[in-house]
Amino acid sequence: QVQLVESGGGAVQPGRSLRLSCVASGFTFSTHGMHWVRQAPGKGLEWVTSISYDGRNEYYIDSVKGRFTISRDNPRNTVYLQVSSLKPEDTAVYYCAKDKGSGYCSGGRCYVRVDSWGQGTLVRVAS
Amino acid sequence: SYVLTQAPSVSVAPGQTATIACGGNNIGSYIVHWYQQRSGQAPVLVVYDDTDRPSGIPERFSGSNSGDTATLTISRAEAGDEADYYCQVWDSTVDHSRMVFGGGTKLTVL
Repeated sequence: QVQLVESGGGAVQPGRSLRLSCVASGFTFSTHGMHWVRQAPGKGLEWVTSISYDGRNEYYIDSVKGRFTISRDNPRNTVYLQVSSLKPEDTAVYYCAKDKGSGYCSGGRCYVRVDSWGQGTLVRVAS
Repeated sequence: SYVLTQAPSVSVAPGQTATIACGGNNIGSYIVHWYQQRSGQAPVLVVYDDTDRPSGIPERFSGSNSGDTATLTISRAEAGDEADYYCQVWDSTVDHSRMVFGGGTKLTVL
């Protein structure tokens, strides 16, 4: 049974940093892409960042480039999200999410989709 | 950047068929996935790769994708289907690669 357990959220002032962690179990972590998706209070889902199964490729939404960094430690079955220079608009529940596979594109069509989600960790940015 | 458009809300009577649309420019050339999010819970994948269902998802849930519209169809709607539904694609170009979600559709089962 797949489990994704996030931690590291909390209330912080603008400009500060946090490191979110997600410990995975129940599947072969090193063969799956991983994602972070956030949801502001009362709003829809917003993709934040993704990392390939081997950690060699990272992708970010424009609004967090240069401020957020995704990384993974495959022997520890853990994916991280370092969030820095936080802004009030970063306030959201951050979900760790497992790709159904390695996440790949073939023939111009891309098979990147989430088949398991954590319960989320709340990041609240306010002064 | 690529945009997916969903109606904010859809209503359906119990036992009837709900249709939730996801619009995007030539979305038929993308692979579309659908998520259900009940109130206060994490999302759940209900349809992937346009038409496939994960194990445990009822056959009442089906998807299609062609032209500029992808569609999630829920047959014989039940009270437990009340939730927000999101479509999703991965948009990959020379300049960028990113996951894109629609704005979500709130399904009410009256």
